Amino acid sequence: DSGVTQTPKHLITATGQRVTLRCSPRSGDLSVYWYQQSLDQGLQFLIQYYNGEERAKGNILERFSAQQFPDLHSELNLSSLELGDSALYFCASSVADSGETQYFGPGTRLLVL
Amino acid sequence: AQSVTQPDIHITVSEGASLELRCNYSYGATPYLFWYVQSPGQGLQLLLKYFSGDTLVQGIKGFEAEFKRSQSSFNLRKPSVHWSDAAEYFCAVGAYGGGGSNYKLTFGKGTLLTVNP
Repeated sequence: DSGVTQTPKHLITATGQRVTLRCSPRSGDLSVYWYQQSLDQGLQFLIQYYNGEERAKGNILERFSAQQFPDLHSELNLSSLELGDSALYFCASSVADSGETQYFGPGTRLLVL
Repeated sequence: AQSVTQPDIHITVSEGASLELRCNYSYGATPYLFWYVQSPGQGLQLLLKYFSGDTLVQGIKGFEAEFKRSQSSFNLRKPSVHWSDAAEYFCAVGAYGGGGSNYKLTFGKGTLLTVNP
């Protein structure tokens, strides 16, 4: 158990819908990272927040957004969902904002029908 | 920008046999190097990491990895594989992008390990 929690574990929804994925980092970690894992793209970095502020952006679509709250939990919002958004979404956390080991949560499996 | 190559998509070994998973990276300096393991339906678990110092790194579950600067490699090894080691293994490189851009963790495509009894 890494100490990073994610909810829900599974999510099934329809195209065009909007969903919110939630992540709680390890105690004491200030950075939260979001990744998407799909068969064709592999593990792709989406976005990082550090102590409530956006720190880095990766291959994140404009339909996706995230935020980190004062209690340091984070939410990833996915809107206007398409079939291709079906994937495993991982959250990771680290103590600092860079150069640190990232610890991963169990992931949320999203299926868009 | 950094990149990671795991040349072997799928490896099959017999239980008790030795294992070596290959990882090559591309980066202008020495990056931070990691190996993660993902069991079916699970998240990624950190096996080991290299930041600096001794180039042979010991990890959990009996795994070790060796950093070879001249070959830009960070291969993962285990002397005797157990059936429970069957999983997908990811090599990752942590580095800063060019022009002072942020630190980024880049993953290889993964190597799926099958263990035969």
